[in-house]
Amino acid sequence: QQQVKQSPQSLIVQKGGISIINCAYENTAFDYFPWYQQFPGKGPALLIAIRPDVSEKKEGRFTISFNKSAKQFSLHIMDSQPGDSATYFCAASMHLGDMRFGAGTRLTVKP
Amino acid sequence: DAGVTQSPTHLIKTRGQQVTLRCSPKSGHDTVSWYQQALGQGPQFIFQYYEEEERQRGNFPDRFSGHQFPNYSSELNVNALLLGDSALYLCASSLRIGGRNTGELFFGEGSRLTVL
Repeated sequence: QQQVKQSPQSLIVQKGGISIINCAYENTAFDYFPWYQQFPGKGPALLIAIRPDVSEKKEGRFTISFNKSAKQFSLHIMDSQPGDSATYFCAASMHLGDMRFGAGTRLTVKP
Repeated sequence: DAGVTQSPTHLIKTRGQQVTLRCSPKSGHDTVSWYQQALGQGPQFIFQYYEEEERQRGNFPDRFSGHQFPNYSSELNVNALLLGDSALYLCASSLRIGGRNTGELFFGEGSRLTVL
């Protein structure tokens, strides 16, 4: 059922560094691409989302880059902080219906 | 403003038993979706309820069924439990306008089911 492939599985970054997580999708009918952040014992929380009509969206330290022709999108976390340590999921959906999630990336930001 | 609430938070069942999980959506939301999250994996869509009807369904067997009540709360039922059903079950709520999904999913903290 997985139609979204996410990499890397885990990522270790120094405080102040840039964290980059990549995703690739298969279904060209997808029209909504969110990123979710999940802390242990909590449900996923929406971080930032993009539609395919734009190539980049920035909210604070978080940026999504979107490449429609390559069917890829990525999350960049600038100035990474220890509080950003969590599992990040990319996802994709069609008409905001069922959300197809990637397998997740466990990010650790070392102080 | 209460977010999405789920109960129970943890439960243990044995193979062959049945389980019911409950969800109250975020205030103002009318659509409830259920997801299964196996350990170390991303959530997988089970189904979505709107106006007390199942509107979309993922690739899950008929052992998984649900219900939505007039107050928008929802239940997920799983019959004939298998060991592989052990997972975190997440409820997410959202809002439809004019029957169309409008966006952000708000997730609850989940119900952790262990099948022995």
